[in-house]
Amino acid sequence: QVQLVESGGGVVRPGRSLRLSCTASGFVFSNQGFHWVRQAPGKGLEWLAVIWRDGLKSDYAASVRGRFTISRDNSRNLLFLEMNSLKVEDTAVYFCVHSAFDFWGPGTLVSVSS
Amino acid sequence: DVAMTQTPLSLPVTLGQPASISCRSNQSLVHLNGQTYVSWLHQRPGQPPRLLIHKTSARFSGVPDRFSGSGAGTDFTLTISGVEVEDVGTYYCVQATHFPWTFGPGTRMEI
Repeated sequence: QVQLVESGGGVVRPGRSLRLSCTASGFVFSNQGFHWVRQAPGKGLEWLAVIWRDGLKSDYAASVRGRFTISRDNSRNLLFLEMNSLKVEDTAVYFCVHSAFDFWGPGTLVSVSS
Repeated sequence: DVAMTQTPLSLPVTLGQPASISCRSNQSLVHLNGQTYVSWLHQRPGQPPRLLIHKTSARFSGVPDRFSGSGAGTDFTLTISGVEVEDVGTYYCVQATHFPWTFGPGTRMEI
């Protein structure tokens, strides 16, 4: 059974950093690509980043390019999102998502507030 | 970026009656390989989205057959043949043909 579980969310001050993790199970992690998608409170879905299965190629939405970094550790079935220079508008639930948008984690809440 | 619009944004429905949601893009979503990568997601309050339809019309595993997807080019539709109480929530279309992937604004369906 495919399972994705995010962790690492919390309350952080503007300008600070936070690293999210996503633990994957139920499939061969190293063969899959993954996304991070976020949802601000009461708002819709926003695609943020993708990483391909070898971890060598990744792409970002313009809103986070240069501030966020997606990475993976195939030996531990882990996906990461390093978030730097956080802004108030980055407040959202962050979802780890399998490549075809077919499996989603429950999400982790990041709140950026002074 | 590809802009995705959905109509209506709010959809009151009656149990047992059909319902449909339209999704339009501002450019063709036909990929160079001939596939059209449009998916539909359903999100209940407090839960993550779940995939209903991918590649315009392919029902995802475990999705009831009352859900169907159709369309081509820039116009796509999600149809529910007979709404059930568990279908309430917000529906999103998403395109994965062109980078960056983009979501529609969502359609809130209420009974």
